[in-house]
Amino acid sequence: GQNIDQPTEMTATEGAIVQINCTYQTSGFNGLFWYQQHAGEAPTFLSYNVLDGLEEKGRFSSFLSRSKGYSYLLLKELQMKDSASYLCAVRDSNYQLIWGAGTKLIIKP
Amino acid sequence: NAGVTQTPKFRILKIGQSMTLQCAQDMNHNYMYWYRQDPGMGLKLIYYSVGAGITDKGEVPNGYNVSRSTTEDFPLRLELAAPSQTSVYFCASSYGVQGNIQYFGAGTRLSVL
Repeated sequence: GQNIDQPTEMTATEGAIVQINCTYQTSGFNGLFWYQQHAGEAPTFLSYNVLDGLEEKGRFSSFLSRSKGYSYLLLKELQMKDSASYLCAVRDSNYQLIWGAGTKLIIKP
Repeated sequence: NAGVTQTPKFRILKIGQSMTLQCAQDMNHNYMYWYRQDPGMGLKLIYYSVGAGITDKGEVPNGYNVSRSTTEDFPLRLELAAPSQTSVYFCASSYGVQGNIQYFGAGTRLSVL
């Protein structure tokens, strides 16, 4: 079966750096997405990786290793507004998105 | 810019009732999707559409129906609501498939009691 694994919850301190990991086993691979979802709101797009390596976008970076079935989202200079769930999703061989359950990130002052 | 608009935002249904969740997008996107999100679970695809007149089942289609008569609208119909359909429903759209970002509506929170 297809599976996306992420930690359920993480806690970090304002101003620090946090890394959220995602491992996947899917039937085929056509890209990996990270979305942010604040409580009670819709998911919003953060990043997309299809080739191995690091994609940097401001305070957020995302890394992909296709051979290891692994990605991480790196958040720097954490702000209170970064408190949210972070969803990892993989596009499979049928071009459907398979979603992880999300990682709830709690930022403490 | 409106983006993806879902109505209603909240609804309580009795077991056996039916309802339609509305979804409209103004971005001229070809692809539209319906997901449900349950606590502690990833988003599950219910139905999707690759263009007007074309729909297909996703991972969890049972108990739901869709139609796509226009590019803009993609309503989701629940027939004979059951408690298992209590969930948050999200509609999304994208211009294409490969590498294209999905844009989500604000969601409909549905309780079936």
